[in-house]
Amino acid sequence: EVVMTQSPATLSVSPGERVTLSCRASQSVSSKLAWHQQKPGQAPRLLIYSVSTRPTGIPARFSGSGSGTEFTLTINSLQSEDFAVYYCQQYYNWPHTLGQGTEVEIK
Amino acid sequence: QVTLRESGPALVKPTQTLTLTCTFSGFSLSTSGMCVIWIRQTPGKALEWLARIDWDEDKYYNTSLQTRLTISKDTSKNQVVLTMTNMDPVDTATYYCARIGGAARREYYYDYWGQGILVTVSS
Repeated sequence: EVVMTQSPATLSVSPGERVTLSCRASQSVSSKLAWHQQKPGQAPRLLIYSVSTRPTGIPARFSGSGSGTEFTLTINSLQSEDFAVYYCQQYYNWPHTLGQGTEVEIK
Repeated sequence: QVTLRESGPALVKPTQTLTLTCTFSGFSLSTSGMCVIWIRQTPGKALEWLARIDWDEDKYYNTSLQTRLTISKDTSKNQVVLTMTNMDPVDTATYYCARIGGAARREYYYDYWGQGILVTVSS
């Protein structure tokens, strides 16, 4: 199965900063890559799919890029509500695996 | 509006069988391209998918757990049921159901999640 590796495990940032999270796949997943956000005590929610597409209601400060095996989630001007754990998910090969998550915490 | 909600016991004893129900609204699991998947999250926060059922009755299981898992659907009730046998304390986790709404377009991302249910396995 495809192994998704996220880095770093934890990011300590201040509100207003720009944040870049990385996700690497053990083999190419083409553009079949999604990001999910999980706030403390809440269920995950879809943040981005197809590498860079935001569902309705997701703020434009969230953006995704990459292809093949290397992907990035960028959060511009981090807001207080963005402190959460972020998971990448590949859905190119079955089983559709998720990374172990990157926690974005307040510095 | 799509919603999913998990229900079942909060506590089970070792060796017992766990039965979880995902009750959803806002879509039909008889519609082409719709799937429901079960995922669990251990206290260490790792997410592990368990089983998936598709609109066309196809079923998929995590190979490491497949001997213990059964997934089924009741389209008339808008429910998906997951059973897991021989529960062990290591199965203590929050169990989520989620929807895959784009399978017909080969878009298998999880677009809606339930709130999750914490299941503790302890005697």
